[in-house]
Amino acid sequence: NAGVMQNPRHLVRRRGQEARLRCSPMKGHSHVYWYRQLPEEGLKFMVYLQKENIIDESGMPKERFSAEFPKEGPSILRIQQVVRGDSAAYFCASSLRGTATYNEQFFGPGTRLTVL
Amino acid sequence: DAKTTQPTSMDCAEGRAANLPCNHSTISGNEYVYWYRQIHSQGPQYIIHGLKNNETNEMASLIITEDRKSSTLILPHATLRDTAVYYCIVRQQGDDKIIFGKGTRLHILP
Repeated sequence: NAGVMQNPRHLVRRRGQEARLRCSPMKGHSHVYWYRQLPEEGLKFMVYLQKENIIDESGMPKERFSAEFPKEGPSILRIQQVVRGDSAAYFCASSLRGTATYNEQFFGPGTRLTVL
Repeated sequence: DAKTTQPTSMDCAEGRAANLPCNHSTISGNEYVYWYRQIHSQGPQYIIHGLKNNETNEMASLIITEDRKSSTLILPHATLRDTAVYYCIVRQQGDDKIIFGKGTRLHILP
């Protein structure tokens, strides 16, 4: 079974451009989580989505960041007007079930965003 | 904030058992102890979790003290590929987010 897939693995953007990060969950998983890891820091939760719904976005920056998980297709983390401080590794995880029951999260390989 | 305390780094000789400690003195009755690891440039990898009984799987063993205020992750025969940052996490089964602390950087020495 394929694991969580993320693309691109590496993304370079200039300041002010948009970055789109994609995450395809494991087969059968309908819950997706995004985390960010700044250089030399730990992973920080950003957002939790279920198909077509944002469940918890308490870790998302208030501006320029958005996430979606449409009925069909991958989850997208979108960063508008990127700044150098957005340079980080962005990890996606998926789980079979949500918060009500056992919900082990499986992580993808990450997208490394570099803002020039 | 993370609810756990771990040593910043540890060394272990290849082939020996690696014992990684974790303190979680404020753990509540419905919180589990989870362990993840992150090998350099990769995503976190689930290792094991437990509530109060000791647990073992193909990767590791988890020993939780009777008062549940601390635990130890044991890698029985460490290899160079086990070099990673190991995160001890306290989490309710229904929590959506994982709160990662700084973890322990484990170096396996040849």
